[in-house]
Amino acid sequence: GNSVTQMEGPVTLSEEAFLTINCTYTATGYPSLFWYVQYPGEGLQLLLKATKADDKGSNKGFEATYRKETTSFHLEKGSVQVSDSAVYFCAQTPGNNQGGKLIFGQGTELSVKP
Amino acid sequence: EPEVTQTPSHQVTQMGQEVILRCVPISNHLYFYWYRQILGQKVEFLVSFYNNEISEKSEIFDDQFSVERPDGSNFTLKIRSTKLEDSAMYFCASSYLGLAGVETQYFGPGTRLLVL
Repeated sequence: GNSVTQMEGPVTLSEEAFLTINCTYTATGYPSLFWYVQYPGEGLQLLLKATKADDKGSNKGFEATYRKETTSFHLEKGSVQVSDSAVYFCAQTPGNNQGGKLIFGQGTELSVKP
Repeated sequence: EPEVTQTPSHQVTQMGQEVILRCVPISNHLYFYWYRQILGQKVEFLVSFYNNEISEKSEIFDDQFSVERPDGSNFTLKIRSTKLEDSAMYFCASSYLGLAGVETQYFGPGTRLLVL
């Protein structure tokens, strides 16, 4: 079935460090892929998305590329800030008419220190 | 900016009791969802709702669960007889369209349910 696997957290970085959070997926059909972020005390917010292979989603300095050959959608940012501290969720919506439900990874907590 | 709201933010209940979790989706949205996250585990899809009926549900969503849109603004999740394993954060979400991968789902802040 369809699933999403993310790297374990927590991830602790210093400000201005390079960030990578790995995400891989298994799917039948052609899923769309998402990164959601959850800041403390808030709901999940869409960070970026990609709907087909080789698409790159980007927002707020974050980016991720839909890699069909490696079934991956790794999140990257060149220089993190303290305000990026949050939990990041990779997710997919299955293709082949399985509806709009989101299938999430387990989340990766990021802590950025000044 | 419009947002999804949920009440209460926290609820503590005794095992076997009924609970109703409430959500107010974004006003022009047509598709509504419930997800849950047991502490330390993944966010899991429970149910989607469109045009006053369930459009999809997961195997978690058994007969103990029900959803309703009692008026033009609220969307509720009822758990008839809570079990210890129902303790989780419950998220409501809404989208304008439900087409896979096309529309963004907007999430509420969640209700943390603790069953004792």
